[in-house]
Amino acid sequence: ETGVTQSPTHLIKTRGQQVTLRCSSQSGHNTVSWYQQALGQGPQFIFQYYREEENGRGNFPPRFSGLQFPNYSSELNVNALELDDSALYLCASSPDRGRRDGYTFGSGTRLTVV
Amino acid sequence: TQLLEQSPQFLSIQEGENLTVYCNSSSVFSSLQWYRQEPGEGPVLLVTVVTGGEVKKLKRLTFQFGDARKDSSLHITAAQPGDTGLYLCAGPDRGSTLGRLYFGRGTQLTVWP
Repeated sequence: ETGVTQSPTHLIKTRGQQVTLRCSSQSGHNTVSWYQQALGQGPQFIFQYYREEENGRGNFPPRFSGLQFPNYSSELNVNALELDDSALYLCASSPDRGRRDGYTFGSGTRLTVV
Repeated sequence: TQLLEQSPQFLSIQEGENLTVYCNSSSVFSSLQWYRQEPGEGPVLLVTVVTGGEVKKLKRLTFQFGDARKDSSLHITAAQPGDTGLYLCAGPDRGSTLGRLYFGRGTQLTVWP
């Protein structure tokens, strides 16, 4: 399978609810990172998973959590949604932690919290 | 935090014009990456520059990495409407095996026919 696929493409949730976003990475890409991109901003690193274990976290609270599965799929879970969580959530995968060859990004999930 | 400042934030030009956008930091990066992002899509990698002073060309796009590896520029010759998009520079986390990228806010380029 080629490319990175994210689902759903758009989502509207109410403040306080929980959400799960899904990502299917390229075969062989053992690294997956999640980024949050607010309107008018560059992507901000949430966390990274390497071989199914969390490998680093950005400045995001614990209510942001994730999972990576052996089949190169992953999830981003956000509990107790806040209005400021409204953003484009991007999944990115790499075979080498992106250090030289960069990341392949999905098209993102646009989350709106009302 | 390794900050990347991009300028200008917005750029609107006519087809055929040349332009340069900048990515600056007070930190040294082992490499810098340039991505282009179109509405409703994720960023797409254009190039990675690794060596200080390096120049890479991708058709009408020329990328340069500063000698001190703290800055980079992207020059587009004879811009076309298809060049429209958000241009992002990104650098890897320094001193870490983690593949975390720090992104700038981007330059939104619009090329009018």
